[in-house]
Amino acid sequence: SQWGEENLQALSIQEGEDVTMNCSYKTYTTVVHWYRQDSGRGPALIILIRSNEREKRSGRLRATLDTSSQSSSLSITAAQCEDTAVYFCATDSTGGYKVVFGSGTRLLVSP
Amino acid sequence: EAAVTQSPRSKVAVTGGKVTLSCHQTNNHDYMYWYRQDTGHGLRLIHYSYVADSTEKGDIPDGYKASRPSQENFSLILELASLSQTAVYFCASSGNTEVFFGKGTRLTVV
Repeated sequence: SQWGEENLQALSIQEGEDVTMNCSYKTYTTVVHWYRQDSGRGPALIILIRSNEREKRSGRLRATLDTSSQSSSLSITAAQCEDTAVYFCATDSTGGYKVVFGSGTRLLVSP
Repeated sequence: EAAVTQSPRSKVAVTGGKVTLSCHQTNNHDYMYWYRQDTGHGLRLIHYSYVADSTEKGDIPDGYKASRPSQENFSLILELASLSQTAVYFCASSGNTEVFFGKGTRLTVV
């Protein structure tokens, strides 16, 4: 799972497979964001799940949130080559600023 | 559409020189951020601001200063650039939830 300043984690799968990325966060949050970063671009929000939701779906994406264990997951069903990207989770912060990012997962989907 | 514009998009600076990276947002957002991303790593927060004329230190502020002269503009200043500051820098803004990023500035210090 991702958090902090660690190197990007790496996942490599074949097209058509399902994949799940995990995120553990350290402090209370009202929302977990998941962002996608394509090569050479800034991250962009792909799905957001609030603390009163256990699951959120958007197309082939599924996010879950377990506030008791302070963890979230992002699943991609039937991954496509175009899903190749870096994925970040992010949470609200109690440290005085709005959003804190996890360390990220580099997903490679091969044909 | 929310927009965050960074300039320059790339820059080569000499060690010991001064570098200023600029960011402009048209989102009417209160929060603005500067992140650094090194190859193979995630986003590290350098400085942020939640109101004009005020900036706050993030997780890795050493060697960087920030300036927020207006709600729309947020600059990152490297007074004495060092080789270790070679990286891609992202500016971002946010309101209550989603963070909107600029396209990044690739800084190479030689």
